[in-house]
Amino acid sequence: GQNIDQPTEMTATEGAIVQINCTYQTSGFNGLFWYQQHAGEAPTFLSYNVLDGLEEKGRFSSFLSRSKGYSYLLLKELQMKDSASYLCAPVSGAGSYQLTFGKGTKLSVIP
Amino acid sequence: DVKVTQSSRYLVKRTGEKVFLECVQDMDHENMFWYRQDPGLGLRLIYFSYDVKMKEKGDIPEGYSVSREKKERFSLILESASTSQTSMYLCASSSRDRGTDTQYFGPGTRLTVL
Repeated sequence: GQNIDQPTEMTATEGAIVQINCTYQTSGFNGLFWYQQHAGEAPTFLSYNVLDGLEEKGRFSSFLSRSKGYSYLLLKELQMKDSASYLCAPVSGAGSYQLTFGKGTKLSVIP
Repeated sequence: DVKVTQSSRYLVKRTGEKVFLECVQDMDHENMFWYRQDPGLGLRLIYFSYDVKMKEKGDIPEGYSVSREKKERFSLILESASTSQTSMYLCASSSRDRGTDTQYFGPGTRLTVL
């Protein structure tokens, strides 16, 4: 089975930087996804990390430490439209394409 | 662009009815998934399929069945709907290519069982 832990809610100010952490315990780790989900909408892909380190993609960056079972999503220059839930999803099992999703972190960006 | 469509955005059914939720993807993806999403519980996998006519149980398959007769279509069936199955249902698909298993989601079907 898998244990995935991420904060339930976070609040940050427009223009600021926020870091959303995710810790996981999984058998047969094969990478980790981050998804964004606006209220009432489907999740959309943000990032995928399979190697240790930081992957930067515009205002969003994602970090992975396989040995620590830890990842974070970093959002810079926050905008109001970044208010959404952010889902951490490790991939389990070599050859398996199943994702197990964390319960998500609801981020509220305030003026 | 990958497109995953679901037959209905909103659906209201009565207890005991048989319910079909349809999902179609246009990217020739091998893998297809059905999830339900509930407040405080997150996304939970019901069933998935790696190929036509093939299905595997996810974490919460009880009360559901699936059908995959064609590669592009994956159906979720509630044989006898119950109020506990009121939820948001999300379909997703992904390619079997190595390197990334990005799942692409449909818009979701909000099912209410009365």
